[in-house]
Amino acid sequence: KAGVTQTPRYLIKTRGQQVTLSCSPISGHRSVSWYQQTPGQGLQFLFEYFSETQRNKGNFPGRFSGRQFSNSRSEMNVSTLELGDSALYLCASSKETGNNEQFFGPGTRLTVL
Amino acid sequence: AQTVTQSQPEMSVQEAETVTLSCTYDTSESDYYLFWYKQPPSRQMILVIRQEAYKQQNATENRFSVNFQKAAKSFSLKISDSQLGDAAMYFCAYRTANAGGTSYGKLTFGQGTILTVHP
Repeated sequence: KAGVTQTPRYLIKTRGQQVTLSCSPISGHRSVSWYQQTPGQGLQFLFEYFSETQRNKGNFPGRFSGRQFSNSRSEMNVSTLELGDSALYLCASSKETGNNEQFFGPGTRLTVL
Repeated sequence: AQTVTQSQPEMSVQEAETVTLSCTYDTSESDYYLFWYKQPPSRQMILVIRQEAYKQQNATENRFSVNFQKAAKSFSLKISDSQLGDAAMYFCAYRTANAGGTSYGKLTFGQGTILTVHP
């Protein structure tokens, strides 16, 4: 069974631009969570989607948004990029929300110049 | 809100020896899950071991075992017979088991411990 895939793996943007990251969960998994990893703040929860609905949201500004499609694939969008948005963005999928192991993708490394 | 603390930024161990990584957490909940994740240089997060809070027995996965002290809110990871491939960043993580809570499904991570394995 294929693992969680994230595209693109690397991305370079400039301040003020917007970016869209994609995550394809493991087949059969309906929950997708997103995390931001930075050296200073560590791993922080962004949001979780289950059956196309946002179930939980972390403490991030409204510039960070996401969605989930009927095939469980998820995208996250960051608008008006800031230098501090440079991070590794990790996506994780699980069969159902909450009570199951989360499997992580390889991440998307975003650099904002 | 739940917090997870890993007080050891770095640890090192000789190959074939045993090392213990520490983790403490703070929560007012009685039912939850605890995890140890490994993140090698490739950045791929890999689940090492999980513990359900309602289970008194400590979880074990091959060379990896935990010491779960619920009253002390402590959750340490012991790696026996360390191997070069164990070198990675290790994260302790918490997740609520409360299905009605707004944080259901969210993992709260500690700051991580970098483990170096010397040949």
